[in-house]
Amino acid sequence: EAQVTQNPRYLITVTGKKLTVTCSQNMNHEYMSWYRQDPGLGLRQIYYSMNVEVTDKGDVPEGYKVSRKEKRNFPLILESPSPNQTSLYFCASSSSQGPLAGGGYFIEQFFGPGTRLTVL
Amino acid sequence: GQNIDQPTEMTATEGAIVQINCTYQTSGFNGLFWYQQHAGEAPTFLSYNVLDGLEEKGRFSSFLSRSKGYSYLLLKELQMKDSASYLCAVRVTGGGNKLTFGTGTQLKVEL
Repeated sequence: EAQVTQNPRYLITVTGKKLTVTCSQNMNHEYMSWYRQDPGLGLRQIYYSMNVEVTDKGDVPEGYKVSRKEKRNFPLILESPSPNQTSLYFCASSSSQGPLAGGGYFIEQFFGPGTRLTVL
Repeated sequence: GQNIDQPTEMTATEGAIVQINCTYQTSGFNGLFWYQQHAGEAPTFLSYNVLDGLEEKGRFSSFLSRSKGYSYLLLKELQMKDSASYLCAVRVTGGGNKLTFGTGTQLKVEL
């Protein structure tokens, strides 16, 4: 089954304790991305990756790191989590279809099930 | 940066038609996306517009006017399962494939 998986699905941790949220896709997609979703703020992009070893900042990258050593995996690392990083996190992937009419390289993003993180 | 506006909430009746508007202010527009998100679930892709006009896909249609910075999602023959949040997102040139999402419109479908 084609899917994006995230682990863990739920995590409660304490301030300063390093953590990694894994994301894996089995669709051979080039593009992967991390988002956080907060009430009243909507989905905000943290980092994205156009392909292996190519990553770039989204709108809210502070406090996060990512890596893309393999095409299928795109882990999100919080080196020193703080309470303001309590959020619902989504990983997403998409195949490159571009360049498309009007620009851009992808259309549909497939989202993982989400990871609910609480930092105390 | 980009500014995307959507109504916070809407209510409609089963079987009716509802239009959810999205306005955006951005430079270097490079595509507009609509996603559906049920409570507690991941967003799922509905539609994509990059050129002006209407894109139709079953009960769902999406319209774009680049000169007005305006899009709408039209849902026909509403069903109870259409109760969800509808997210508008914009991509800009020069930003790789970065997407900026609006805060979403919570649609409630009633009998």
